[in-house]
Amino acid sequence: SQKIEQNSEALNIQEGKTATLTCNYTNYSPAYLQWYRQDPGRGPVFLLLIRENEKEKRKERLKVTFDTTLKQSLFHITASQPADSATYLCALDNTDKLIFGTGTRLQVFP
Amino acid sequence: DAGITQSPRHKVTETGTPVTLRCHQTENHRYMYWYRQDPGHGLRLIHYSYGVKDTDKGEVSDGYSVSRSKTEDFLLTLESATSSQTSVYFCAISETSTGEQPQHFGDGTRLSIL
Repeated sequence: SQKIEQNSEALNIQEGKTATLTCNYTNYSPAYLQWYRQDPGRGPVFLLLIRENEKEKRKERLKVTFDTTLKQSLFHITASQPADSATYLCALDNTDKLIFGTGTRLQVFP
Repeated sequence: DAGITQSPRHKVTETGTPVTLRCHQTENHRYMYWYRQDPGHGLRLIHYSYGVKDTDKGEVSDGYSVSRSKTEDFLLTLESATSSQTSVYFCAISETSTGEQPQHFGDGTRLSIL
């Protein structure tokens, strides 16, 4: 069966450290993978997109990797801040639709 | 922020009543989507539209219908609401259907069916 897995347990880290979130998938062959941020009571907000032929993408303190062999994407936030606390969703394209993971909640402590 | 407005933001209703949720966009994007978000399931696609009067089913379409009579409005209707349809509903828009473009989301409608 097709699955997208994100760590359902919250990730708690100290301010200033690097947060790394994982998105694994099975039985999909996405051409694109996207990451979104969702705050409580709000809709998801797009952060980054990476293509299947790209290994890595960066935007300010954010970095995304995409390994189509491992079927995995890693999402890094460097020099994390309490304001980065949110739920982060990965999404991949599948026949012209986006399929979303369940998200990982990140909590950054001062 | 993309111009997407969902209404109402909150609604409580009883089993068996009809419910209509509205999504309004000011971006003139061709594609519009309705998702529901439940704990442990993430965002699941209910229906989507690829143009005026052009709609198709998503993963969890049973019990829901949609209509799009204008580019800017996409309506989601629960003909006879059930408790299993208690959820948070999100509307999203995008310029294309492929994953090459991001989707932009509204802030959701929290619907409770008693």
